[in-house]
Amino acid sequence: DAGVTQSPTHLIKTRGQQVTLRCSPKSGHDTVSWYQQALGQGPQFIFQYYEEEERQRGNFPDRFSGHQFPNYSSELNVNALLLGDSALYLCASSFLVQGVLYGYTFGSGTRLTVV
Amino acid sequence: ILNVEQSPQSLHVQEGDSTNFTCSFPSSNFYALHWYRWETAKSPEALFVMTLNGDEKKKGRISATLNTKEGYSYLYIKGSQPEDSATYLCAFTHTNAGKSTFGDGTTLTVKP
Repeated sequence: DAGVTQSPTHLIKTRGQQVTLRCSPKSGHDTVSWYQQALGQGPQFIFQYYEEEERQRGNFPDRFSGHQFPNYSSELNVNALLLGDSALYLCASSFLVQGVLYGYTFGSGTRLTVV
Repeated sequence: ILNVEQSPQSLHVQEGDSTNFTCSFPSSNFYALHWYRWETAKSPEALFVMTLNGDEKKKGRISATLNTKEGYSYLYIKGSQPEDSATYLCAFTHTNAGKSTFGDGTTLTVKP
């Protein structure tokens, strides 16, 4: 079992550009959550996808958008990048049963640097 | 905004010492509390998920307790080993189950 895989592992972008990060969930998982972790802080929730729809959203601007595909994989898109978007972006997959998430599993993250 | 606080922020102990740290979370609308162990350059690894007041979980030398009425959880490590060095994160899920709010973590360093 490959677990949760994220790509790319590292990325450098210029301010104002757009970026797409990808996440493949663990086999059997149907829910994908995205987190941003700045240096020295805990992961901050961006949003969560289930059945190809955004199920919950954290306090992030509309520049952050996402998508979930029929195979449960997901993308995180960030437009008009700012220097402050530099962070580790984590994806976590799980499966949802009667409103409860089980088997929360993280990927290794994508390190985004905006210059 | 849900506040999840962990203390201490960092901890340095000698091999063989036992240690514990705290996660504080809102006591209302509790649903679940997760503990994760996060080693540098690796994915966070789930240690425990606790849902009931008074829950106690154990995995080897690591154990955790939960008090939902007062809004705290303790993580204990007995006889710390250098391989226990990591950041330990807790995450709170409230009754609107779905997203988890994370603390900033406690970074443990165990010196041989």
